[in-house]
Amino acid sequence: AQTVTQSQPEMSVQEAETVTLSCTYDTSENNYYLFWYKQPPSRQMILVIRQEAYKQQNATENRFSVNFQKAAKSFSLKISDSQLGDTAMYFCAFITNYGGSQGNLIFGKGTKLSVKP
Amino acid sequence: NAGVTQTPKFQVLKTGQSMTLQCAQDMNHNSMYWYRQDPGMGLRLIYYSASEGTTDKGEVPNGYNVSRLNKREFSLRLESAAPSQTSVYFCASSKHLSEAFFGQGTRLTVV
Repeated sequence: AQTVTQSQPEMSVQEAETVTLSCTYDTSENNYYLFWYKQPPSRQMILVIRQEAYKQQNATENRFSVNFQKAAKSFSLKISDSQLGDTAMYFCAFITNYGGSQGNLIFGKGTKLSVKP
Repeated sequence: NAGVTQTPKFQVLKTGQSMTLQCAQDMNHNSMYWYRQDPGMGLRLIYYSASEGTTDKGEVPNGYNVSRLNKREFSLRLESAAPSQTSVYFCASSKHLSEAFFGQGTRLTVV
């Protein structure tokens, strides 16, 4: 079975500091894509960052970066210079490629991040 | 530039009633999904459609049916609503092996 595990149900960080959210996943496929989504109180799902499994270089997007460890099946999200607007639920997700056919998009249970002033 | 449009945004049903949640995307995506979101459970996949004319069960399909009407539209039907189906429902679409774009969600309450 393919799964995504986010071991931190809740986290908090002081404004301007750095926080890392953990994610591990399990799949027997070699070709897949990983994502972090943000869900603020508005309920809208917003893509934060994506990583292709075949790329060794970690993805970055402004203050957001990932630490992708393929052998360990780990995909953590680092938020630098945290801002009050980063307060949200964060979901880790991945999608696999079964020999050219797309598998489904699987989500973890989420980490609730609170940024404190 | 509508993206993924999901209707309705809110709905209250009585136990045993039926309803259909509508979803349409204008991004020419092949894949479409229906998820439900419950507190502490994340997003759980109900059904997905990898292409027009195909649908597959996800993690929690019981009590639901879907129709991929055409490439743009993917509807979710509750034939006989139960209180356990009280949830927030999201429709999403994606290109092949790419990130998903989400609708704004439907908050459904079954009383």
